Amino acid sequence: AQSVTQLGSHVSVSEGALVLLRCNYSSSVPPYLFWYVQYPNQGLQLLLKYTTGATLVKGINGFEAEFKKSETSFHLTKPSAHMSDAAEYFCAVWPYNQGGKLIFGQGTELSVKP
Amino acid sequence: NAGVTQTPKFRVLKTGQSMTLLCAQDMNHEYMYWYRQDPGMGLRLIHYSVGEGTTAKGEVPDGYNVSRLKKQNFLLGLESAAPSQTSVYFCASSYWRVSTDTQYFGPGTRLTVL
Repeated sequence: AQSVTQLGSHVSVSEGALVLLRCNYSSSVPPYLFWYVQYPNQGLQLLLKYTTGATLVKGINGFEAEFKKSETSFHLTKPSAHMSDAAEYFCAVWPYNQGGKLIFGQGTELSVKP
Repeated sequence: NAGVTQTPKFRVLKTGQSMTLLCAQDMNHEYMYWYRQDPGMGLRLIHYSVGEGTTAKGEVPDGYNVSRLKKQNFLLGLESAAPSQTSVYFCASSYWRVSTDTQYFGPGTRLTVL
């Protein structure tokens, strides 16, 4: 079965530093890929998604992610962290052959230090 | 538009009690989903619905039942609550299947079973 692995349950960066959140998936067939963000006491919000086409995907709030088939990865980056980026981030995949259901990673909590 | 709303926001139950969580969306979405979120496990799909009058099992359906009698509402029931069902429950909806359409989440219901 398809699975999603997010490396690091907690990531801490300084304000203005690069944000890198890692996501790897297990599949011989590239699925559709998503990043969601969850701010404290809120539901999830879609940041960006990759379905087909350009492998570098730009999302909201200055985030982007690159689909690398050879590495089965979909890492999320932002060049300069802002205090408001502190949240939990979830990578998710939609595998073609599993009935159209999203499969989520375990989440990475991002802390931003002043 | 209110988007996706969930009732109640918080609830404490004793083991063996029953309750129903209500999800409502005003976006005329076809698809609706119930997830549970547990620390370190991301979101796991409980049940979902691809249209009024239809429901299907997700990844962790045991101990839960659902109904979609009206297009805008998706109810999640716990017939006999157990401590293992302590979790945060999220409802979501999308117009089309999640591979090609954005999934919108509600704010969550925090349930504690004693």
